[in-house]
Amino acid sequence: EDQVTQSPEALRLQEGESSSLNCSYTVSGLRGLFWYRQDPGKGPEFLFTLYSAGEEKEKERLKATLTKKESFLHITAPKPEDSATYLCAVPSTTDSWGKLQFGAGTQVVVTP
Amino acid sequence: DAGITQSPRHKVTETGTPVTLRCHQTENHRYMYWYRQDPGHGLRLIHYSYGVKDTDKGEVSDGYSVSRSKTEDFLLTLESATSSQTSVYFCAISESTLGGEQYFGPGTRLTVT
Repeated sequence: EDQVTQSPEALRLQEGESSSLNCSYTVSGLRGLFWYRQDPGKGPEFLFTLYSAGEEKEKERLKATLTKKESFLHITAPKPEDSATYLCAVPSTTDSWGKLQFGAGTQVVVTP
Repeated sequence: DAGITQSPRHKVTETGTPVTLRCHQTENHRYMYWYRQDPGHGLRLIHYSYGVKDTDKGEVSDGYSVSRSKTEDFLLTLESATSSQTSVYFCAISESTLGGEQYFGPGTRLTVT
């Protein structure tokens, strides 16, 4: 059974204090890994797609990396506006298209 | 923002009543999804659609039905609402066959009393 696990569940950072979030998966034949950001009371917002081990993507203070077993979302010198829940997801391996399995998310709070 | 709206945004209903939630998109995306999000469970797929009149079940489909008669509209119906269906419901759209790059609506908060 495909599984996606995110850690930690919650992370409290001081402004400027860099850290990393983890997303580990047990799917075989990974066909991509996706990161989303979700603000309170809103729908998730797509951030990145990673397709193969060694790939990296960056957007402002966020950098996502992928290995064969896990992905990391690095937050460099975070600001309070980076506070959100970050979700990772992988495509189902039991369907040929269209379905994602989401992790439970990491709630990040950045204080001034 | 992707052109995706959900209606209603909030609804309170009584146990046993039918409820229909609407998702409308202006992006002409092929794939549409209904999720529910609950504390401790994260996002769970209810139903999805891969084209007009083409739908299939997700992992938590019991008690829910869907219909898609036009590309732009995807309806979720709770046939007889129960308190366990109190949740926040999100619609999403995608053009990706992997379903990876999805764009989500603002959500509908449903309370079943």
